[in-house]
Parts: sequence; C-alpha cells; structure tokens
Amino acid sequence: NAGVTQTPKFRVLKTGQSMTLLCAQDMNHEYMYWYRQDPGMGLRLIHYSVGEGTTAKGEVPDGYNVSRLKKQNFLLGLESAAPSQTSVYFCASSYSVRAGDEQFFGPGTRLTVL
Amino acid sequence: DQQVKQNSPSLSVQEGRISILNCDYTNSMFDYFLWYKKYPAEGPTFLISISSIKDKNEDGRFTVFLNKSAKHLSLHIVPSQPGDSAVYFCAASVTGNQFYFGTGTSLTVIP
Repeated sequence: NAGVTQTPKFRVLKTGQSMTLLCAQDMNHEYMYWYRQDPGMGLRLIHYSVGEGTTAKGEVPDGYNVSRLKKQNFLLGLESAAPSQTSVYFCASSYSVRAGDEQFFGPGTRLTVL
Repeated sequence: DQQVKQNSPSLSVQEGRISILNCDYTNSMFDYFLWYKKYPAEGPTFLISISSIKDKNEDGRFTVFLNKSAKHLSLHIVPSQPGDSAVYFCAASVTGNQFYFGTGTSLTVIP
C-alpha cells in the first residue's frame, strides 16, 4: 500500500499562473482533505470531501478550488496563484470522522509563488 | 483566532528523561484530541488520541493527559529517545467535524 501520495513534491510558480495538485489514496477512504502549513500557523483546512463527487469549504478556502471525481483522488487547484499561497500543502484521508479514525497524511507539496 | 495553541515552539530533553509537550484549546465543545508527529520532508503521522470521556490514554512510552476544566492536554514521552526528535502537533475536534491543529512543538532529544 502506498497510502497517501501527492504530486508534485515541489513547484515554483509565477504570480497569476495556475496549477493543480494531485492527491491519491489507496485505502478506500471516504474522506479526503487539503491543508496548508505556514510558519506559526499550524495546519489549516482548505477544502475537504466526504465522498466521491462532494466537496466542502474548510477554514481557508479562498483562492482554491477542488474536485473529487474519483474516490481515490482529490485535486486542489489554484487558478491564479498569489505569493500569499506560498506554503506547504498536505493532503490527508480518513475512513470516517468518528473518533478513532485518524487522518493519514501525504508527504506534502512545497509551493513557492514568486 | 487560533482555537488550539501550542505555546512552546521548541523543547530540548536529554535522552532517557521525560518529554512533556503541552497544548491548550479554547473551544469547550471539542471532544476528541490527537497528537501527530512529523519528521522533516514527511507528512504528519498519527501518534495517540484521547476522547473527552477520559482523562488519560497510554500507549507504550506515550501518554496523553486531558484536563477538561483547564482546557489543556499534554503528551508525555518516557523515556525520551533520539528518534523521538520531531515536530509534534496537537489537534482537536468536535466529533464529526473538522480538526483544528496547533502550531507545533519541535522536540530535540539529546543523546
């Protein structure tokens, strides 16, 4: 089992460019999440999905869009990147949101927007 | 506003001694708490959890204590080992809802 994988691992964008981050999980989890980690801020939830075809906003959704066309994949899109979106992005998945079902995280994508 | 706070950005402990990492929260509705461990260039990995119906949960060298009246939880690592050197995040949720993470504490265990 690969667990949760993220593509790419690193990316440098110019302001205004667009890109898509791909998250894949092979654990048949229903729930998937996108977080960003910034210095002094901890992990903050951007968007999440409770199942194939569904998405919802998290704590910091502005400037991002997501799609969950297949159960195993969760895509995070930046339509027009801004320097404030420079961050490390983590994808996670879980079987449920019941106590005891923890989230499994991918290795992260380090994004720099110039 | 940060609902989960880890006020110590870093902690250094001698190998074999106890490491105590602290976490405070503001939302009294939180009923499920977790600790994650993160090595550089890797994603966080689950370490230990506790439900609000308990005040202690133990797993090997790791024990989490919950003080609901003080809205405080702590992670004890005994004995500390060099491989425990990592960033530790606490997280809290109202069951069924999103998790809120603290800012992390970087633990260094000195051999």
